[in-house]
Amino acid sequence: KQEVTQIPAALSVPEGENLVLNCSFTDSAIYNLQWFRQDPGKGLTSLLLIQSSQREQTSGRLNASLDKSSGRSTLYIAASQPGDSATYLCAVGVMISSGSARQLTFGSGTQLTVLP
Amino acid sequence: GAGVSQSPSNKVTEKGKDVELRCDPISGHTALYWYRQSLGQGLEFLIYFQGNSAPDKSGLPSDRFSAERTGGSVSTLTIQRTQQEDSAVYLCASSFGGKTEAFFGQGTRLTVV
Repeated sequence: KQEVTQIPAALSVPEGENLVLNCSFTDSAIYNLQWFRQDPGKGLTSLLLIQSSQREQTSGRLNASLDKSSGRSTLYIAASQPGDSATYLCAVGVMISSGSARQLTFGSGTQLTVLP
Repeated sequence: GAGVSQSPSNKVTEKGKDVELRCDPISGHTALYWYRQSLGQGLEFLIYFQGNSAPDKSGLPSDRFSAERTGGSVSTLTIQRTQQEDSAVYLCASSFGGKTEAFFGQGTRLTVV
């Protein structure tokens, strides 16, 4: 059974700092990996999608990498801002039920606080 | 609409009543997912639809839960005889095919009193 772990569970940094969030998964048989942010009381906002054949994706100040063979992904946030404060979730796309269905398996998230 | 729409946004119901939660996916998205997020907990997978078909229903917590999708579009999640432990935020997501980016709605916050 696929398990996704995110470290650290919580992180507090001063504004302007660069930071790295980590995600690891136990089964490398994934078809993609997606990073989301969740603000309190809100739904999930998609940040970056990496297909299993890709190594990284970039969007603005965000860069996500994927090493499928070692079961790891990182989300790099450059020049952090107070508006980046949120919970960051990674999810891996996996096939279930002998390939007849799909599922996104989520980690428990990293709660980021960027202090002004 | 431009995004995934869920209704109602909030629902308070009495224990034992049935509730129906609705999800309108992004137009053209064939894949649809339901998740549950209990207070302070992670996202629990409930069910996946490809078109109108849900090949695997084993993620549904009990036989009080059912879901359907019609016309390859709107999906409803029904909870019968609600219990207090059903209180959670129910999230729906859709994607254009199974391997593409998934987009989430804002969720339905269900409170069973």
